Amino acid sequence: DAGVIQSPRHEVTEMGQEVTLRCKPISGHDYLFWYRQTMMRGLELLIYFNNNVPIDDSGMPEDRFSAKMPNASFSTLKIQPSEPRDSAVYFCASSVTPEAFFGQGTRLTVV
Amino acid sequence: GIQVEQSPPDLILQEGANSTLRCNFSDSVNNLQWFHQNPWGQLINLFYIPSGTKQNGRLSATTVATERYSLLYISSSQTTDSGVYFCAANYGGSQGNLIFGKGTKLSVKP
Repeated sequence: DAGVIQSPRHEVTEMGQEVTLRCKPISGHDYLFWYRQTMMRGLELLIYFNNNVPIDDSGMPEDRFSAKMPNASFSTLKIQPSEPRDSAVYFCASSVTPEAFFGQGTRLTVV
Repeated sequence: GIQVEQSPPDLILQEGANSTLRCNFSDSVNNLQWFHQNPWGQLINLFYIPSGTKQNGRLSATTVATERYSLLYISSSQTTDSGVYFCAANYGGSQGNLIFGKGTKLSVKP
């Protein structure tokens, strides 16, 4: 298996624009997680899904953030409108056992 | 709240030296993982070890669940071992929130 695949790897956008991050989990994994990594806050969970259903979105910082999982092989994290403080590395992870596997991340820069 | 604490925060080694990284957690864990974040930012799974001892080449890990700590041992360190080592734990019966420590930044000098 190719592992968790995220796209794009890098994204630079202007403040106010919509940003969509994409994730393809490992086939057969029924949990999917979105994390954000910043220098100030480290790695923090934004939202996770089980069998395509959002279970806990308490980490989503504000209404500007939304996440969907329309099927078992695809998830998106959308920020609209984006702000400079959203600049971070966003990771997607998936698991079927308690052990989670991470994608390579998307480095988002909002200018 | 639930805490995952790692020590030391920074570690500088000469190539060939051994090291021990520590992770303390504040409650019984369902999942305990060690990751290596390389200089390119990739999070690489090292060990899934909620209890017991595992070894993989020059790396080994031990988790003593009853005493709420885990240790990562790196022997004969190489420059490619440089990066940040994270411990992460999940509590309770679900596979939910993996809570990460702040990491140990390791620099191995040639």
